[in-house]
Amino acid sequence: DSGVTQTPKHLITATGQRVTLRCSPRSGDLSVYWYQQSLDQGLQFLIHYYNGEERAKGNILERFSAQQFPDLHSELNLSSLELGDSALYFCASSRTTHEKLFFGSGTQLSVL
Amino acid sequence: KNEVEQSPQNLTAQEGEFITINCSYSVGISALHWLQQHPGGGIVSLFMLSSGKKKHGRLIATINIQEKHSSLHITASHPRDSAVYICAVLDSNYQLIWGAGTKLIIKP
Repeated sequence: DSGVTQTPKHLITATGQRVTLRCSPRSGDLSVYWYQQSLDQGLQFLIHYYNGEERAKGNILERFSAQQFPDLHSELNLSSLELGDSALYFCASSRTTHEKLFFGSGTQLSVL
Repeated sequence: KNEVEQSPQNLTAQEGEFITINCSYSVGISALHWLQQHPGGGIVSLFMLSSGKKKHGRLIATINIQEKHSSLHITASHPRDSAVYICAVLDSNYQLIWGAGTKLIIKP
């Protein structure tokens, strides 16, 4: 058990809908990263938060947004969903930006 | 050209063999991670390196900052080492850039 909790584990929804994925980092971890893993594109970095502030943005679509709350949990919001958004979404946390990463088990999103 | 290149893409070896997976990067980095992903999808962090060498059990990771290159070695490989190994670098903009991964299969 990595100590990083992602909910839900599975999510099935329809095109055009909006969903929210949640990540609770390990206790005390200030950094949270979000990734998307799809069959055709491998692991893509989406966004990095550190202690409530956005630190870096990767290949995150404008339809996607994220935030990190004062209790350090993070949410990834995906809107106007398309079939191509179907993927496994991981979050990872670390105590600082220069320490080992701990990964959640991911949320499998299926857009039908 | 990708900013993080791993080689080989696929590697099949016999149990007991010494395994080396390479990672080269073209950007300035502050840290490099080696990760392991099993067929079930779970990702485990093996090492975080900013310089030198680290060892954990049968795994050894090295990094040469000047040459922008890192290697992951597995000694006395075992079928349970079969997984995808991923190199990821933290660049100066705090983005974590991933390599494409190396799929390792260890045959008994």
